[in-house]
Amino acid sequence: GAVVSQHPSRVICKSGTSVKIECRSLDFQATTMFWYRQFPKQSLMLMATSNEGSKATYEQGVEKDKFLINHASLTLSTLTVTSAHPEDSSFYICSAREQGWGSPLHFGNGTRLTVT
Amino acid sequence: AQTVTQSQPEMSVQEAETVTLSCTYDTSESDYYLFWYKQPPSRQMILVIRQEAYKQQNATENRFSVNFQKAAKSFSLKISDSQLGDAAMYFCAYRILSGNTPLVFGKGTRLSVIA
Repeated sequence: GAVVSQHPSRVICKSGTSVKIECRSLDFQATTMFWYRQFPKQSLMLMATSNEGSKATYEQGVEKDKFLINHASLTLSTLTVTSAHPEDSSFYICSAREQGWGSPLHFGNGTRLTVT
Repeated sequence: AQTVTQSQPEMSVQEAETVTLSCTYDTSESDYYLFWYKQPPSRQMILVIRQEAYKQQNATENRFSVNFQKAAKSFSLKISDSQLGDAAMYFCAYRILSGNTPLVFGKGTRLSVIA
């Protein structure tokens, strides 16, 4: 079945540095990918919609200059957390849908980011 | 805006018993999907069951079934013969049918299974 690969699964970085998270659709093309953020014991909150070949669409309250999204190909979207701070520590999950009506949404395994 | 409400932050069930998780949603759309996802401690999102709003028949997947009440905008999940491996967070989710739209999640219900 379709698989979405997310890398890295865990990352620890120092305040002020940037971290890049990759989301790849392994056996299907995804014109759109979604990035979610999940704080401990909370639900998944949509951060942005990543569109291949165009700018991402950010949800209200999400800083586009802080969370840079690049969707350069039909199988890869990246989320870069720039100048990370401890409050950016969270669980980030990407998802992608196969093309075709009614196709399901597949999730990556998530990335746990810890900013020290 | 679409919203999904899960009114039970935590639930527990005895092994082999049946439990029902509640979900209500608010939308002005007529065509949409509803989902239940399971998130175990590994944090992987696992699709449990999905329902197309235009289908009147309730979806069923083995021990999992839903009670979809479109007029009431209710979408509950019934887990029969509960197993220890069913313990997890369960999220109800919604997405409109048209376009490449994201899922909107409820806040989740933490299910414990007691041996």
